[in-house]
Amino acid sequence: GAVVSQHPSWVICKSGTSVKIECRSLDFQATTMFWYRQFPKQSLMLMATSNEGSKATYEQGVEKDKFLINHASLTLSTLTVTSAHPEDSSFYICSARGGGPGNEQFFGPGTRLTVL
Amino acid sequence: SQKIEQNSEALNIQEGKTATLTCNYTNYSPAYLQWYRQDPGRGPVFLLLIRENEKEKRKERLKVTFDTTLKQSLFHITASQPADSATYLCALGDYKLSFGAGTTVTVRA
Repeated sequence: GAVVSQHPSWVICKSGTSVKIECRSLDFQATTMFWYRQFPKQSLMLMATSNEGSKATYEQGVEKDKFLINHASLTLSTLTVTSAHPEDSSFYICSARGGGPGNEQFFGPGTRLTVL
Repeated sequence: SQKIEQNSEALNIQEGKTATLTCNYTNYSPAYLQWYRQDPGRGPVFLLLIRENEKEKRKERLKVTFDTTLKQSLFHITASQPADSATYLCALGDYKLSFGAGTTVTVRA
């Protein structure tokens, strides 16, 4: 149980285009979903917190107009990187709460974004 | 500001030995502390959660301790196997998680 999927697993795009990443909780309803990014050899940095039916809360320094988050249902959240640039290239990982008895988070497999 | 430090970037051990990882934190009073495993190019996988009123938690060959006075957690992998090779992350938070940089464990056969 407590499985989270992400799609796509990797994407390469041209500078200036937008990319959408989906995060789904497959066997539980996620009360909250989180979006992280991770640069090589570094730890996860929280970008935003997303609750179903409400606006996402962004961490300091994260541009909300660049990283659009939509939490359409209790099992789906999407992150859209708008007008992507090479510096947006990173590993994006989502997680979901609600699949366990405590406040543990269950992570998706990640999406590798490369912007040319 | 809050800070989470994991003892070292890398730990190399012989198969069968016990690996001990350290997570220290400052300017923080978390109600929960969690440990995750991350393999290269993959998302973290939840391993254990320990609450502030719990001293120790075990799961199979894994053991976690939590000392809120020392502001430290120790993570042990007993009878280590090459398949245990991965990066291990500690995370603190009651709702949003803050992660340490991780310790990469390599178990030699």
